[in-house]
Amino acid sequence: DAKTTQPPSMDCAEGRAANLPCNHSTISGNEYVYWYRQIHSQGPQYIIHGLKNNETNEMASLIITEDRKSSTLILPHATLRDTAVYYCIVRVAGAAGNKLTFGGGTRVLVKP
Amino acid sequence: DTGVSQDPRHKITKRGQNVTFRCDPISEHNRLYWYRQTLGQGPEFLTYFQNEAQLEKSRLLSDRFSAERPKGSFSTLEIQRTEQGDSAMYLCASNSGVNTGELFFGEGSRLTVL
Repeated sequence: DAKTTQPPSMDCAEGRAANLPCNHSTISGNEYVYWYRQIHSQGPQYIIHGLKNNETNEMASLIITEDRKSSTLILPHATLRDTAVYYCIVRVAGAAGNKLTFGGGTRVLVKP
Repeated sequence: DTGVSQDPRHKITKRGQNVTFRCDPISEHNRLYWYRQTLGQGPEFLTYFQNEAQLEKSRLLSDRFSAERPKGSFSTLEIQRTEQGDSAMYLCASNSGVNTGELFFGEGSRLTVL
């Protein structure tokens, strides 16, 4: 699976949009981009995933560049409960076992 | 809401003792995963099961570690002769095995080896 690069930390203001970048310049055509988050002392939680097109669900939006070398997770109206470590993961479609390889993630602190 | 359940949530043991963790996945999920997470790091894959078959083991899973899922439902992860380096959060996850990377994680079992 391709490697991802994320900033180690970022702050954002409560009520504002949080834009979390991820570089995956070596991504191949059959690799999806997944985002998970991990709130302190809890297990990781799936947020969203995509292949080429932008995706949106009740939690977030995922914007993938046309060349697929980078993506941005957008939390539209950040709340204090969104304070967590956010992981960007790329995974081959059909990968045996659905195994995920986590990196270091971005530690997001939402401030009042 | 019957999510993934792990027990115990916390375990403190002395070096050299054996410990066992249990994971109860979401009932209709046939795939079960174990991950380990040390402080400040992302989770690291240890092993996974499809039903009762253990299909992949990471090199992180030394001979002192053994995982089972005897009836394809709950799973146990045993660590023998614990070492201080085994101190970590042990996370269990499950999914339906449909070709998806959406895993459902439990809250983890935190091990402290003194």
